[in-house]
Amino acid sequence: AQTVTQSQPEMSVQEAETVTLSCTYDTSESDYYLFWYKQPPSRQMILVIRQEAYKQQNATENRFSVNFQKAAKSFSLKISDSQLGDAAMYFCAYRRGGSEKLVFGKGMKLTVNP
Amino acid sequence: DAGVIQSPRHEVTEMGQEVTLRCKPISGHNSLFWYRQTMMRGLELLIYFNNNVPIDDSGMPEDRFSAKMPNASFSTLKIQPSEPRDSAVYFCASSLREEVGEQYFGPGTRLTVT
Repeated sequence: AQTVTQSQPEMSVQEAETVTLSCTYDTSESDYYLFWYKQPPSRQMILVIRQEAYKQQNATENRFSVNFQKAAKSFSLKISDSQLGDAAMYFCAYRRGGSEKLVFGKGMKLTVNP
Repeated sequence: DAGVIQSPRHEVTEMGQEVTLRCKPISGHNSLFWYRQTMMRGLELLIYFNNNVPIDDSGMPEDRFSAKMPNASFSTLKIQPSEPRDSAVYFCASSLREEVGEQYFGPGTRLTVT
């Protein structure tokens, strides 16, 4: 079974600084997708960024970018120029190609200090 | 679009009572997912539907839980009888199966069973 591990339960960053959230996964599949979701205090789960395993280029969405290391099965999220609104729980998730099921990591709480 | 709509937002009930959670997916989406989130177990997929048909219910914890999707715009998750260990936040999400990746989450229902 596929597993997703977020080893750091909490992190903090100063406003305007850069922070990297780590995620590793375990799979024997070659076709899969990886996601980062954000859950602010409002509880709403929001998709931040996604990466297709077949793409070598790392995905980027404005201040958010990923470092996808397929051989190492690592998928980290970098947040640049951190803002107070980035404070939230962040979840890494995996989806096997051809399946609709998402497997989530346990999540990581990010605090942004002014 | 209004997004995924869930009701109620909060539910407090006594052990042994029946609880029904409701979800309206985004119009045009053909897949619907029910998740449960707890501190101990994180975010777990309970069941998902495609074109109103249950595809995978392997995450449903026991027979006390049941889910239905009578039409493309409505789904229910029922717990009967409820127990204190069912206390959690229950999320509904929907997606368009033909599109890879994004599941759109509702705001969740916080269930407390006393």
